[in-house]
Amino acid sequence: QKEVEQDPGPLSVPEGAIVSLNCTYSNSAFQYFMWYRQYSRKGPELLMYTYSSGNKEDGRFTAQVDKSSKYISLFIRDSQPSDSATYLCAMIKNDMRFGAGTRLTVKP
Amino acid sequence: DSGVTQTPKHLITATGQRVTLRCSPRSGDLSVYWYQQSLDQGLQFLIQYYNGEERAKGNILERFSAQQFPDLHSELNLSSLELGDSALYFCASSVAGGSTKNIQYFGAGTRLSVL
Repeated sequence: QKEVEQDPGPLSVPEGAIVSLNCTYSNSAFQYFMWYRQYSRKGPELLMYTYSSGNKEDGRFTAQVDKSSKYISLFIRDSQPSDSATYLCAMIKNDMRFGAGTRLTVKP
Repeated sequence: DSGVTQTPKHLITATGQRVTLRCSPRSGDLSVYWYQQSLDQGLQFLIQYYNGEERAKGNILERFSAQQFPDLHSELNLSSLELGDSALYFCASSVAGGSTKNIQYFGAGTRLSVL
């Protein structure tokens, strides 16, 4: 079993939809949780990071962490074609572990 | 701009050759990581250096090697190149090498094409 599981998709939604991206993990020692966005052939860009269980909001993006269920989510409201990218979850114990990434396409 | 600089952006070479990829970390970051990403694949961790010392090793081939210099820039050397080595190579940096707040910031990558 991988330490971090992420559905690779692909996920295709119409513009304006609410997108939910998810990761599960097996190691309860993970303490910091991140979401990266990677456009095609570009470097991953840090979107958000959070430490505790609960929600953290930044504009149209909300990161949610449920440590009891070992489950993290990224919600994108009012999705735009410019949100089309691969989204990677990552988490830190002593070192960082990445999910495989979910490819998202937002269609106009 | 993440502050991590990678050069060159694109490299085209032939099988059997050797290339060197360069990475300058963000100012103040002591740790450098190298990743390989083949087409439509996830990030494969290769190796990590912290303040000049090797800290962790992933799935790095024996034909590949890396080092981190006193000024903290790092180089990834790829030798006896094969077609399958064609990929994007990313460098990332973080402040520390083993703390719980070890968030990595990525460079734009070097695209290696082996013909």
